[in-house]
Amino acid sequence: EAQVTQNPRYLITVTGKKLTVTCSQNMNHEYMSWYRQDPGLGLRQIYYSMNVEVTDKGDVPEGYKVSRKEKRNFPLILESPSPNQTSLYFCASRTTANSFYGYTFGSGTRLTVV
Amino acid sequence: KQEVTQIPAALSVPEGENLVLNCSFTDSAIYNLQWFRQDPGKGLTSLLLIQSSQREQTSGRLNASLDKSSGRSTLYIAASQPGDSATYLCAVFPMDSNYQLIWGAGTKLIIKP
Repeated sequence: EAQVTQNPRYLITVTGKKLTVTCSQNMNHEYMSWYRQDPGLGLRQIYYSMNVEVTDKGDVPEGYKVSRKEKRNFPLILESPSPNQTSLYFCASRTTANSFYGYTFGSGTRLTVV
Repeated sequence: KQEVTQIPAALSVPEGENLVLNCSFTDSAIYNLQWFRQDPGKGLTSLLLIQSSQREQTSGRLNASLDKSSGRSTLYIAASQPGDSATYLCAVFPMDSNYQLIWGAGTKLIIKP
């Protein structure tokens, strides 16, 4: 089944403790991105990657890092999480071979930083 | 800059009614528009993808239309059921973006039994 898999689904952590949220897709998509969703602010893009070793900032990149060493994986790294990073996070992927295809989203990761 | 607006923000209707959710966008230079469903605190489920060259797409009780020239899309839900209760989001894929979707704020739909 074609899918984007995020782990973990739920995470509670303490301020300053480094964490990684994993994202993996099995569709050989070139493009992957991370979004966060907050009440009243909607979905905002954090980082995106056009292909292996190619990443760029989205609208809200502060406090986050990403890497794209393999085509299928795009982990989101919070080096020193803070309470304002408490949010619902989504990973998405799509092909860049044709602009008329849609996006596939993961099931989300609910992160709480205390 | 592309902006996407969804009206209404919330809608509560009795079971069985046909209903229409609206999505408008300011720039008609888009590749496609995608409708998503989101259950509370859960993931995003893609419902329909409608290309800029298409007028409508159908899936079961759902029908999405697109009028690119006027910057509007509608999601029509026939014979609504309590299980349709969710937030419905539309997102456009602009031609001038780095593959970044531009999102509406969503319509929260409640279907009363």
